Amino acid sequence: DTGVSQDPRHKITKRGQNVTFRCDPISEHNRLYWYRQTLGQGPEFLTYFQNEAQLEKSRLLSDRFSAERPKGSFSTLEIQRTEQGDSAMYLCASSRTGTSSQTQYFGPGTRLLVL
Amino acid sequence: QKEVEQDPGPLSVPEGAIVSLNCTYSNSAFQYFMWYRQYSRKGPELLMYTYSSGNKEDGRFTAQVDKSSKYISLFIRDSQPSDSATYLCAMDFLGGYNKLIFGAGTRLAVHP
Repeated sequence: DTGVSQDPRHKITKRGQNVTFRCDPISEHNRLYWYRQTLGQGPEFLTYFQNEAQLEKSRLLSDRFSAERPKGSFSTLEIQRTEQGDSAMYLCASSRTGTSSQTQYFGPGTRLLVL
Repeated sequence: QKEVEQDPGPLSVPEGAIVSLNCTYSNSAFQYFMWYRQYSRKGPELLMYTYSSGNKEDGRFTAQVDKSSKYISLFIRDSQPSDSATYLCAMDFLGGYNKLIFGAGTRLAVHP
């Protein structure tokens, strides 16, 4: 399978704990995105990488959130001191520069539940 | 007011029906328009991608964009129970970082 993969698929944590999610994009894709989706809503943009550079961060991404893509391949999203409002599906997507670069391919998501 | 509005449904149709899904938007700078299908507890799957105005057809799916009305549509012909999912419209600007703006999604149920 050469699609976008995410790990873990599900995470249950207690309020105040730190969590880290991983995304592996499609291998030839140099752009990587993180989105958050809550129940009954469409995905909302969080942040974007082109290669290893983080080029944009949403205002939704508070100081407790940090994302990295150290070698321009996989990415991690860390949430520190989780809050119940962080419960959501965290989606990763990738695309490549060039024609049809707006076509983003999504992973299966990591569903986070903060108790 | 959200930039992209989409009726959440649910929309229930019999198998074989023609389904019409729609989104309206407020920002005339959007140039790229996409439809994604999302099954329950799964990631969105790209169905259709259109640049600017016009129609695009792919099998049973037809996407239409009317920029003058700020209105996009997805038609599904000969709907099947396997089409039961949430359909998300998404949009982007020309020259942007591809930060997609999504509608809330329309839940579709196709019953046998």
